[in-house]
Amino acid sequence: EVQLVESGGGLVQPGGSLRLSCVASGSTFSNYYMLWVRQAPGKGLEWVAKINQDGREKTYVDSVRGRFTISRDNAKNSLYLQMVSLTAEDTAVYYCARDPRWAFDIWGQGTMVTVSS
Amino acid sequence: QSALAQPASVSGSPEQSITISCTGTSSDVGSYDLVSWYQQHPGKPPKLLISEVTKRPSGVSNRFSGSKSGNTASLTISGLQAEDEADYYCCSDAGSGTYVFGTGTKVTVL
Repeated sequence: EVQLVESGGGLVQPGGSLRLSCVASGSTFSNYYMLWVRQAPGKGLEWVAKINQDGREKTYVDSVRGRFTISRDNAKNSLYLQMVSLTAEDTAVYYCARDPRWAFDIWGQGTMVTVSS
Repeated sequence: QSALAQPASVSGSPEQSITISCTGTSSDVGSYDLVSWYQQHPGKPPKLLISEVTKRPSGVSNRFSGSKSGNTASLTISGLQAEDEADYYCCSDAGSGTYVFGTGTKVTVL
């Protein structure tokens, strides 16, 4: 069974930084695009970032570009999201998901990020 | 990168059919046959229902079907069941390697 497990969420002050991780098991991680999607409390889904199989192609939603960095380590079956200059608007559950091209077929359970003083 | 427009809520009685619309622009929904649909129950991660407008992954009930016309995609749930009560989101490729989700629709089974 393919599984994605996120970690690294927590409470951080405005302006602070956080690094999220997502570990994949049960499939060949390096074969797939991967992405991060977030959901603010009581709100809808928002695509955040995407990375291709070898990590060379990365795209971001406008609201995080320049502050968030997506990366991966295929040897460790791991996906990361480095977040800096966090604001209250970044408060959300962050999901990692697998993208076998143009749809997201496997999702993690999510990790909560709260930005508050 | 504006969110795709979905109705906030749709309701129906058991065994009825309902349709959820997802309206974008010629830069996203209208440009690509790359619309997907997700179901999300409270406190759970989303689940893929439909990919590439009409494709249903293995294990997804054939009561769920997708279509598209112009800048609007649609998800139809036929034979509505109590377990279908959830939030539903569309998503489209938006070009330049980006995606955009819909605003979400809460489905209520009366």
